This record gives sequence, C-alpha cells and structure tokens, in this order.
Amino acid sequence: KQEVTQIPAALSVPEGENLVLNCSFTDSAIYNLQWFRQDPGKGLTSLLLIQSSQREQTSGRLNASLDKSSGRSTLYIAASQPGDSATYLCAVNYTGRRALTFGSGTRLQVQP
Amino acid sequence: SQTIHQWPATLVQPVGSPLSLECTVEGTSNPNLYWYRQAAGRGLQLLFYSVGIGQISSEVPQNLSASRPQDRQFILSSKKLLLSDSGFYLCAWSVNSPLHFGNGTRLTVT
Repeated sequence: KQEVTQIPAALSVPEGENLVLNCSFTDSAIYNLQWFRQDPGKGLTSLLLIQSSQREQTSGRLNASLDKSSGRSTLYIAASQPGDSATYLCAVNYTGRRALTFGSGTRLQVQP
Repeated sequence: SQTIHQWPATLVQPVGSPLSLECTVEGTSNPNLYWYRQAAGRGLQLLFYSVGIGQISSEVPQNLSASRPQDRQFILSSKKLLLSDSGFYLCAWSVNSPLHFGNGTRLTVT
C-alpha cells in the first residue's frame, strides 16, 4: 500500500533553532514529492517540489531533500522564526496515481 | 497569474440538507481539478478528481458527488448531508505539477 508518514506529529522549538521535519514513503516509484505549509483554518501553500530525479530543492531558509531508495524526504528550516509556526505536510505523487498522497503533517510551534 | 476561488468559506448545515460547494480556477486552461477533505486531526483524503469537462473519478464511495460543467469549474454536492460529512473541504488544481490549493470551506453538519 502506498502511504506517507510524517514524524513527529508535533514539534515545539525556540526561535532561532535549525530544525528538520521528516517524511517517509513506502514505494520508491514516484514522480515527485511536494512540501506544503498550512496555517490554521487555511488552505495549503506549496513550499517546495522535488522531482524524482532531484536530490534537493532550496527556497530561502527552506531546504528539502529526497532519497528515493530509502523512501525519505526531509524539510530543513534554518533559523526558525515565530512566523514559521504552522502545519507542514508532505505529499507524494506516486507513479500510476493521478493525485498526491498526503502525510498527516507535522504541527510546528516556534516560541519567541 | 493563476488563482483559485472557493466558496463559501464556512457553512453550517443540518443533517439531511443538500450541499453545493463551488470552486473556480482562473488563468489556466484544462487543469486537473481535485476535491480533498481534511477531517480534524487527520490527513487529507482525496474525494474526487477531474482531468476534463464531465470527467469525474471518485476515490472514496460516499454520499458526495462532483461535477465539472465547465473547464475551470468544479462543484462538490450532496443530496443529504450526514454528520460524518463535517470537515474542511479543499479544492486544488494542477497542470502537470505542483498542486495549488484554494482557501477551503469549513463545513459543520449539525
């Protein structure tokens, strides 16, 4: 079964820390993997998209890596800020499926 | 630039009443369109997707239905709502990738 798992479910860190969010997937046959941010009561905002042929993508303080062979992706947030507080979702576009498969998310709280 | 509009933002409906949620996309042609539901404390569940006008695929059997009467319009409907239909409904679009979401509709069935 093609699943996506995110650990931890929740994370609280002090402002300024570097942190890593983890995402694992069960099948290495993927087109791409996407990281999203969701603020409470809002829709999802796309952060980074990594194609299956890529190893990482960077945008500002965010860096996402992809290791297909081990079925893992990480989202690295440098110098965290209170404004980074949100739920971060990982989604995998598995080969043969028309839609993304989502993890349950990691709820991040950055303490000022 | 492309934009996606979803309405209403919030909705409170009694059990057994009908439902119609609308989603429109601007600035792109022939997008893939999706309806997802996010229940409290759970991940996103794909309900329907569409690759073109009148083409609807259902991922989960339920009392909901979807229609795509125009290229950039996607409608989620129900004839009779159940309590279990409460949740956060998200519309999304893509042309290849990535996926872009609307702001969602919070549905409470009482």
